[in-house]
Amino acid sequence: AQSVTQLGSHVSVSEGALVLLRCNYSSSVPPYLFWYVQYPNQGLQLLLKYTSAATLVKGINGFEAEFKKSETSFHLTKPSAHMSDAAEYFCAVGNSGNTPLVFGKGTRLSVIA
Amino acid sequence: DSGVTQTPKHLITATGQRVTLRCSPRSGDLSVYWYQQSLDQGLQFLIQYYNGEERAKGNILERFSAQQFPDLHSELNLSSLELGDSALYFCASSVGTVNTGELFFGEGSRLTVL
Repeated sequence: AQSVTQLGSHVSVSEGALVLLRCNYSSSVPPYLFWYVQYPNQGLQLLLKYTSAATLVKGINGFEAEFKKSETSFHLTKPSAHMSDAAEYFCAVGNSGNTPLVFGKGTRLSVIA
Repeated sequence: DSGVTQTPKHLITATGQRVTLRCSPRSGDLSVYWYQQSLDQGLQFLIQYYNGEERAKGNILERFSAQQFPDLHSELNLSSLELGDSALYFCASSVGTVNTGELFFGEGSRLTVL
């Protein structure tokens, strides 16, 4: 079975500060990892994905994440937060089989001016 | 705009009733997924269809059922509704299997059971 734990249900940062959203996964097979973002009153959209290629993955809007197998982590970062980054962020895990993605409970990011 | 259309956007009904949520996937996508999002449970996978056939089942209650039609749209039927069924129900689609591809989500159907 696969699972995802997102540390912190709510993270608040100042505009221009570093964004760090934490995700740890559990998987008995090599994982595929994803970050999705949900803006208010919208569906989720893919930010970035790791599927066993480069361990540092760059996504949209300046976000990136690093796959660390030894730490079973896939933390999401952005060097400088923007007001428009305020949203809910979901980490998800899958694999090369046909099992649907398992999502974490989400982290709500607030950006303070 | 993800290309995935869900109707209705909002639905208010009473306990014991039955509702149907509809999803039209992105053009060309063969897989449809249903997820339930609630504050306490987060985003829970319910069921997946691929080209008309059930492919995977998650935490879907027996009171809930779904199907995918030949034109690839899907419906999620919720019956004998309880207060705890109040949630946001998302449909997502993908070309094939999800893991190396991208899931495209609709904007959701918000169900309120009174």
